[in-house]
Amino acid sequence: GEDVEQSLFLSVREGDSSVINCTYTDSSSTYLYWYKQEPGAGLQLLTYIFSNMDMKQDQRLTVLLNKKDKHLSLRIADTQTGDSAIYFCALNAGGTSYGKLTFGQGTILTVHP
Amino acid sequence: DVKVTQSSRYLVKRTGEKVFLECVQDMDHENMFWYRQDPGLGLRLIYFSYDVKMKEKGDIPEGYSVSREKKERFSLILESASTNQTSMYLCASSTGGGHTGELFFGEGSRLTVL
Repeated sequence: GEDVEQSLFLSVREGDSSVINCTYTDSSSTYLYWYKQEPGAGLQLLTYIFSNMDMKQDQRLTVLLNKKDKHLSLRIADTQTGDSAIYFCALNAGGTSYGKLTFGQGTILTVHP
Repeated sequence: DVKVTQSSRYLVKRTGEKVFLECVQDMDHENMFWYRQDPGLGLRLIYFSYDVKMKEKGDIPEGYSVSREKKERFSLILESASTNQTSMYLCASSTGGGHTGELFFGEGSRLTVL
């Protein structure tokens, strides 16, 4: 089946940029997602990228997709303490369109003042 | 405001008990999902449903069953709870096909089995 890998922890200082990385194995995915989970809450969609794109920018968020290397990254500019959360990358398994997603392990981002 | 509501945020059960986790969505979504979240393992799909009375196994269905009698409600059932089912359970929903596949999540139900 699909395998999605993330590093478990990332620690940055407030104001710095954060880069969270994700690698995957299924090249048939049409959408790739970044979800954010704040303490005690469910997951919320942060952003997504269509598989025919290389980059997507949305305010402080930049998503880069390298299909050749099967590598997805999320860059958060000017990281704030409110960005401390768990970040999950996810893919629509087998290119399905109805929301059956495969998730990575999640990266715990800690932002220090 | 769209919403996925999980009826119980915290439950403590004993080994062998039958456990029901309820999830209701108010977005008229066709698809509903149950995931299990464990530290270092991310989210793993237990079961999903793309229509009333329809269900499909996910990646880890053993020890679980589901019920979808109404479009808005999707229940997860642990017939005989075991300690290795202690976990956070997340319900999610999405619209039918032909879209981005975004999932809307509930806040989770943390189950402890003693």
